[in-house]
Amino acid sequence: EAQVTQNPRYLITVTGKKLTVTCSQNMNHEYMSWYRQDPGLGLRQIYYSMNVEVTDKGDVPEGYKVSRKEKRNFPLILESPSPNQTSLYFCASSSLSEKLFFGSGTQLSVL
Amino acid sequence: SQQGEEDPQALSIQEGENATMNCSYKTSINNLQWYRQNSGRGLVHLILIRSNEREKHSGRLRVTLDTSKKSSSLLITASRAADTASYFCATDPPGWGGANSKLTFGKGITLSVRP
Repeated sequence: EAQVTQNPRYLITVTGKKLTVTCSQNMNHEYMSWYRQDPGLGLRQIYYSMNVEVTDKGDVPEGYKVSRKEKRNFPLILESPSPNQTSLYFCASSSLSEKLFFGSGTQLSVL
Repeated sequence: SQQGEEDPQALSIQEGENATMNCSYKTSINNLQWYRQNSGRGLVHLILIRSNEREKHSGRLRVTLDTSKKSSSLLITASRAADTASYFCATDPPGWGGANSKLTFGKGITLSVRP
């Protein structure tokens, strides 16, 4: 089954404790992206990747890191999480200029 | 960055009625996409319409695109309670090599379908 798998689904952490949210897709997609969703602000792009070892900033990259060492994986790293990074996070992937497939989301709370 | 704006922000209808949702955008586009989100879950793609297309259908969904007015509409016919969700339009501007790298989402429309 074609899917984008995100883990964990829920995460509660404390300020400053490094964390990684994993994302994996099984569709051999070139493009992968991370979004955060906040009430009243819609979805905002954090980082995206056009292919292996090719990543670029989206609209709200501050405080986040990504890597794309393999085509299927695109982890999101928060080196020193802060409360303003409390949000619902989505990973997505697609072939070029085609529809996006989204993961189920990660609800992150930073205390 | 360019952003589609959906209208209305919220819509409540009776089961069986049609639901019409609109999206306006500011600059030219490569394509426009509609997505659905059920209560905090991942978005699901509904329809992609390219700039040279005017109308597309998929089951009970009909999407139109008017590039002269920079607007799109999503029509759901014979709505069901299961259509209750948030709906987002997303615009893909030209000139970025495609790949959704600059795909920008609106803030969404909350649709409630009463049984």
